[in-house]
Amino acid sequence: DSGVTQTPKHLITATGQRVTLRCSPRSGDLSVYWYQQSLDQGLQFLIQYYNGEERAKGNILERFSAQQFPDLHSELNLSSLELGDSALYFCASSVGAVGWYGYTFGSGTRLTVV
Amino acid sequence: SQQGEEDPQALSIQEGENATMNCSYKTSINNLQWYRQNSGRGLVHLILIRSNEREKHSGRLRVTLDTSKKSSSLLITASRAADTASYFCATDPGSGGSNYKLTFGKGTLLTVNP
Repeated sequence: DSGVTQTPKHLITATGQRVTLRCSPRSGDLSVYWYQQSLDQGLQFLIQYYNGEERAKGNILERFSAQQFPDLHSELNLSSLELGDSALYFCASSVGAVGWYGYTFGSGTRLTVV
Repeated sequence: SQQGEEDPQALSIQEGENATMNCSYKTSINNLQWYRQNSGRGLVHLILIRSNEREKHSGRLRVTLDTSKKSSSLLITASRAADTASYFCATDPGSGGSNYKLTFGKGTLLTVNP
């Protein structure tokens, strides 16, 4: 157990639907990062939150949004889902605003869009 | 886009042999990190080497960094079947702000045969 908790572990949904992925960072970590992993694109950085505020943004689609709550857990919302959104979605956390000591990853949410 | 590129894409060795994986990157970095991912699971942080370091050891792992060539290598000595996994290098640009992100390569799939 890495200390980063992601739920659900698996999610199957239909095209056009909306889903919410949840992440609880490791105790004491203030930053949460979201990554998407697919076979063709590899690990793509989506977005980072630090202590409740958006810190950095990657190639996140407009259909996707995220937030970090006062208790530091984060949610990634994916809407108008397409087949190509099927992927593993990882959350990672770090103590500071930058990952200079490495990230701690959760076990991921496998999203399948049918 | 990938900052780090691992080589080879796949490597198959016998138990007890050494495994060497290489990573090349394009822009300047603050540090470079190596992660391991067992099939379909989260990434585990293995080792971090800073831009002013040339070599670092952790157990059976040895990492080298050559900033002039923008390359790094990960050596796993006396490999075990349990080392079978994908290995990723990740580059840290070192600057904070909205452009900060840890960028991962596509990984090397290591298979250690018993």
